[in-house]
Amino acid sequence: AQSVTQLDSQVPVFEEAPVELRCNYSSSVSVYLFWYVQYPNQGLQLLLKYLSGSTLVESINGFEAEFNKSQTSFHLRKPSVHISDTAEYFCAVRFTGGGNKLTFGTGTQLKVEL
Amino acid sequence: EPEVTQTPSHQVTQMGQEVILRCVPISNHLYFYWYRQILGQKVEFLVSFYNNEISEKSEIFDDQFSVERPDGSNFTLKIRSTKLEDSAMYFCASSARGGDGYTFGSGTRLTVV
Repeated sequence: AQSVTQLDSQVPVFEEAPVELRCNYSSSVSVYLFWYVQYPNQGLQLLLKYLSGSTLVESINGFEAEFNKSQTSFHLRKPSVHISDTAEYFCAVRFTGGGNKLTFGTGTQLKVEL
Repeated sequence: EPEVTQTPSHQVTQMGQEVILRCVPISNHLYFYWYRQILGQKVEFLVSFYNNEISEKSEIFDDQFSVERPDGSNFTLKIRSTKLEDSAMYFCASSARGGDGYTFGSGTRLTVV
């Protein structure tokens, strides 16, 4: 069965520390991968995506994610977080051959503390 | 940057009433979607719409739900007779092509009392 797993429901981290938010998926078909961020009381904003090509993708605000096909993972990383990065982060996958819908993980609440 | 606009931002309705959630997708996008997020749970796909018809729907999208593109700009989700369990944040999304980039709106929080 196709699924998306975010094992960490909450990740507390101190400001300027590095962080990794984990995302794994289960699939026998090729995938398109996305990370979305949701700030409190706001909608979903696209952070970055992997469609093809280089397995390392970056966002404009310092986040990066690497597609690892053998481990079926797309972990999100940032070398130094800021208080403003506090938000909920959702990993989402489009499974090819499964229509255009996105399947979301359960989300990871990133809480950056001073 | 182009946006997907959803109205209202918050709607309270009585159980059994009909509600219509409205969305204005990005103007040159061709694919439209509705998702919902029950409080504290993950975002779930409801329906996708292309070329004036439903292209895919989930098991959640039963006969109580319908979608429509009444004109060239709006995309609506109608819930015919709301239940308490329909309380959720409903997100509209659109994409230019089938599945390589989705823009989400800010959502409509529906509260059924």
